[in-house]
Amino acid sequence: AQSVTQPDIHITVSEGASLELRCNYSYGATPYLFWYVQSPGQGLQLLLKYFSGDTLVQGIKGFEAEFKRSQSSFNLRKPSVHWSDAAEYFCAVGALTGFQKLVFGTGTRLLVSP
Amino acid sequence: EAGVAQSPRYKIIEKRQSVAFWCNPISGHATLYWYQQILGQGPKLLIQFQNNGVVDDSQLPKDRFSAERLKGVDSTLKIQPAKLEDSAVYLCASSLSSNQPQHFGDGTRLSIL
Repeated sequence: AQSVTQPDIHITVSEGASLELRCNYSYGATPYLFWYVQSPGQGLQLLLKYFSGDTLVQGIKGFEAEFKRSQSSFNLRKPSVHWSDAAEYFCAVGALTGFQKLVFGTGTRLLVSP
Repeated sequence: EAGVAQSPRYKIIEKRQSVAFWCNPISGHATLYWYQQILGQGPKLLIQFQNNGVVDDSQLPKDRFSAERLKGVDSTLKIQPAKLEDSAVYLCASSLSSNQPQHFGDGTRLSIL
């Protein structure tokens, strides 16, 4: 069974600074990998996904993530954070074959300081 | 396109009462999911439908939770009777097919007194 670890519960970043959120996964085969963002009182919005191919994937809102098989990681990055990026970020892993079943990490709450 | 619609947005009930949530997926999406998100945790899959058939309900507490997706479109999730530990946000998601990204609704926040 797959699992996801997001080691940082909270991260505070100054507005305009760069951001990296960590995600490590465990899965025996090639995974689907996702990053979702959740603002208070709202559902999850897909930021980006990795299925195969180029290991550096671009998403919405200026986010990108890099799949590193050797490290079982899929870290999310953004070069310059905006105050509106403050939210909860979830990494998820899904099976590549059969019916998709997503397993989510516990999330990282991003705080943006002025 | 219209997103995934859920109602109600908030529900407060006493323990041992029953409650039902409704979800209308994105038009044409064959796969529908119900998740439970407890405060401070990531969403946990409760049940997955492919059209009107259940694909995965391995984590659904079947003694108190039930779900149906009649006609392969709308879905309802029911809890009867509710327990204190059922306090959570219940998220519905849908996808075009089983291997496509999931789109989430805003959820129903359930509080059990």
